[in-house]
Amino acid sequence: GQNIDQPTEMTATEGAIVQINCTYQTSGFNGLFWYQQHAGEAPTFLSYNVLDGLEEKGRFSSFLSRSKGYSYLLLKELQMKDSASYLCAVRDSYSNSGYALNFGKGTSLLVTP
Amino acid sequence: DGGITQSPKYLFRKEGQNVTLSCEQNLNHDAMYWYRQDPGQGLRLIYYSQIVNDFQKGDIAEGYSVSREKKESFPLTVTSAQKNPTAFYLCASSIPGEAGYGYTFGSGTRLTVV
Repeated sequence: GQNIDQPTEMTATEGAIVQINCTYQTSGFNGLFWYQQHAGEAPTFLSYNVLDGLEEKGRFSSFLSRSKGYSYLLLKELQMKDSASYLCAVRDSYSNSGYALNFGKGTSLLVTP
Repeated sequence: DGGITQSPKYLFRKEGQNVTLSCEQNLNHDAMYWYRQDPGQGLRLIYYSQIVNDFQKGDIAEGYSVSREKKESFPLTVTSAQKNPTAFYLCASSIPGEAGYGYTFGSGTRLTVV
């Protein structure tokens, strides 16, 4: 099984930078994903990390340290539309659950003017 | 355009009834998954299927059943044995094991027991 932890809520100001942390414990690791989910909608893919280091994609970056079981999602130049829930998900090994993604409970981000 | 379609978007069920949620994909993905989302609980895995005619229980399979008779379709039945079925249900598909390939999600079905 897996244990994935992330903060429940965060608040940040428009134009600022925010970092959302995720820690995990897993018996089989096949990559870490970040998704964005607006209320009542399906999650949308933001980023993927399987090796240690930083992956940058426009205003969003994601970092992974496998030895520490730690990842963060960095959002720069925050916009009001970034107010959403951010889900950290770890892909398990095939033997455990057929490469299914295990999700944290999500971090609800509120961007204020 | 390829995608994954869930229907209906909203579903109301009376206590004691079984209901079936539809999930269809035309992405030619082998793997399909069903998740349940409750407020403050994140997404929890109900069932998954890696190939036609095969499926496995996830973390919270009790009170649910599935079938995978066609590659494109993975319907979920919420039975009367599921004591608290009110939730947002998400179906997803993927190419199993392909690096960097996460899920394609359907738009979800919100089930309410009345």
